[in-house]
Order: sequence, then structure tokens, then C-alpha cells
Amino acid sequence: SDDLTQPPSLSVSPGQTARITCSGDALPKQYAHWYQQKPGQAPVLVIYKDSERPSSIPERFSGSSSRTAVTLTISGVQAEDEADYYCQSADSSGTYWVFGGGTKLTVL
Amino acid sequence: QVQLVESGGGLGQPGGSLRLSCAASGFIFSDSYMSWIRQAPGKGLEWVSYISSSSSDTNYGDSVKGRFTVSRDNAKNSLYLQMDSLSAEDTAVYYCARAVVTTYYYYMDVWGRGTTVTVSS
Repeated sequence: SDDLTQPPSLSVSPGQTARITCSGDALPKQYAHWYQQKPGQAPVLVIYKDSERPSSIPERFSGSSSRTAVTLTISGVQAEDEADYYCQSADSSGTYWVFGGGTKLTVL
Repeated sequence: QVQLVESGGGLGQPGGSLRLSCAASGFIFSDSYMSWIRQAPGKGLEWVSYISSSSSDTNYGDSVKGRFTVSRDNAKNSLYLQMDSLSAEDTAVYYCARAVVTTYYYYMDVWGRGTTVTVSS
């Protein structure tokens, strides 16, 4: 299956580290990317190619990968980081693009 | 600045059609892959379609294949999505996005604000 699996929710306190995982059989062949979406807003790219960060994104956002999973890490979580986070990749042939189901990050 | 503005959303009839548009500015549209992504109420993101810079390469998600058609007019810096045979399951916010595409990765680096499509009788 080329589906991407994420935990539906994660709660952390301010200043802690949040780690959101995304797993899928196609990930060894395809890069993964992460988007942040706040309520009522369009998604924003926060990590691309597993671990690259757009220049406008704070350094506390980072990404890493293992064989069949990728991880978005937010170090020193702030209240403004409360949002839904989606991973995205493609099927093993690159023909179909796919999103994970999303993880709702709550900052306590 | 780089901007994408969607339009054309609204109320559609089951079995009917709607055409969405996306106006691009602030970048070389004719050099860019483009994509449509949708989000049903309270649900996650779903990739709908992409189109290459020259329109030579298009593809669709399984849920819309055969019903939706993506196109573009590089002279007008515009992207379109023709939606036919609409059903209630097509109710969603539709986002236009610029796509970065290579052999090994595909992602959306710029997104519009979205346009809402509601399918109901």
C-alpha cells in the first residue's frame, strides 16, 4: 500500500519537543514533505525532501527519515504551533501523490 | 509577491458541473507544475490532480478520475479544474498549489486560499 499513516493527535506542553511520525511502504523510494495547517487557513510547507526547511520556517522545525518512516520534530513548542500537520509523498512510481491523514497538535 | 487566487466555487447540483479557476502571479507560471488539492469539511487533505508546465503530463486521484479535467492557459497565467458528474462527496474546499516536481520528489510550495464547492440539491 502507498498510504501514509500518521497518529491522529498529539499533545505537548509549551517548551517541550513534539515528534510526529508518518509511515508508508513507498517512503524508502520517495521523499516526504510536511505541511502545517491552522484553522481556516491554507496549508503551509514546513519541511520538504524529508529534512529541508524553507527559509521562512523557524529553525525549531526539523525533519528526519528512516527506512519506512519520516518524523517531523518541533523543538521548544510554542502556542502558535498548534495546528494540523500533514505528511505528503507519492506512490512508488511517482504517479500518484498522497497525503497522510493528518495529526492535530495541541499545545497544552 | 507569489500569489494564487482561486475562484469559481459555489453550489453545484448532483450530476452537474462546475469549473474552478486559479489566477497565478509573482512567478513564471509557464515554468511550473500546478496541482489541485481538496479538503472535505472536517477532513484531511486529498490530492486531486496535477498538470505539467506544458500540459503534456496530467494525472488524477482515483476518486475524480474520468470526471474532472485539469487544464491551464499559460498566456493568461491561469489554471482550471473542470468538474463534471458532481456528487455530494465532492463537497470540499479546493486549493490550487504550485508544485515542485523532479524524478524523486513532488511537493507543493505555494498554496492559494481555496474556493469552496458545495454539491447539494
